[in-house]
Amino acid sequence: GNSVTQMEGPVTLSEEAFLTINCTYTATGYPSLFWYVQYPGEGLQLLLKATKADDKGSNKGFEATYRKETTSFHLEKGSVQVSDSAVYFCALSDLGVISGKLTFGQGTILTVHP
Amino acid sequence: DGGITQSPKYLFRKEGQNVTLSCEQNLNHDAMYWYRQDPGQGLRLIYYSQIVNDFQKGDIAEGYSVSREKKESFPLTVTSAQKNPTAFYLCASSTERDRQYLNTEAFFGQGTRLTVV
Repeated sequence: GNSVTQMEGPVTLSEEAFLTINCTYTATGYPSLFWYVQYPGEGLQLLLKATKADDKGSNKGFEATYRKETTSFHLEKGSVQVSDSAVYFCALSDLGVISGKLTFGQGTILTVHP
Repeated sequence: DGGITQSPKYLFRKEGQNVTLSCEQNLNHDAMYWYRQDPGQGLRLIYYSQIVNDFQKGDIAEGYSVSREKKESFPLTVTSAQKNPTAFYLCASSTERDRQYLNTEAFFGQGTRLTVV
């Protein structure tokens, strides 16, 4: 079956530091890949996505590249802000019509200090 | 504004009682989903529905039931058979994937936190 493995947290950084959160996956075929963000007490918001190999998703300074050869989709940001503190989830959507049937990683808690 | 509304935000249930969580969407999405979130475990799929009057079990359906009588609504009932119901429950919706695999985004509600007391 499908699975997603994320870098264990929590991750604690100072403002303006570089961020990497690793994500690797196991799936048959060519799934779509996503990063979702969850702020305290809230639901999930889509941060970025990639639907095929070598695609780069980007949003709000965050980037991730779909690497089929390494089955990875690592999240990066060059300079984090305190407002980026949240839980980040890597997820994949398997093939077929049901695009919201997602397999999630366990989530990585990010805390950014001033 | 279009979106997904879950209610209530907090819910307390006594052991042995059934409780129903509401989820309504005005995005005109065909598919709807229920996920459960536990600390440090990510989200797990409970049930999903691709169309009105049809739904399928997800990975952890035991102790839960759903209905899909209207396109906009997908309520989740947590029954007394669910042994550990305390969790954060998230509802989501999406369109069907088109031929170019676009529209693959799922939209989530704000969640309901259920606590058994």
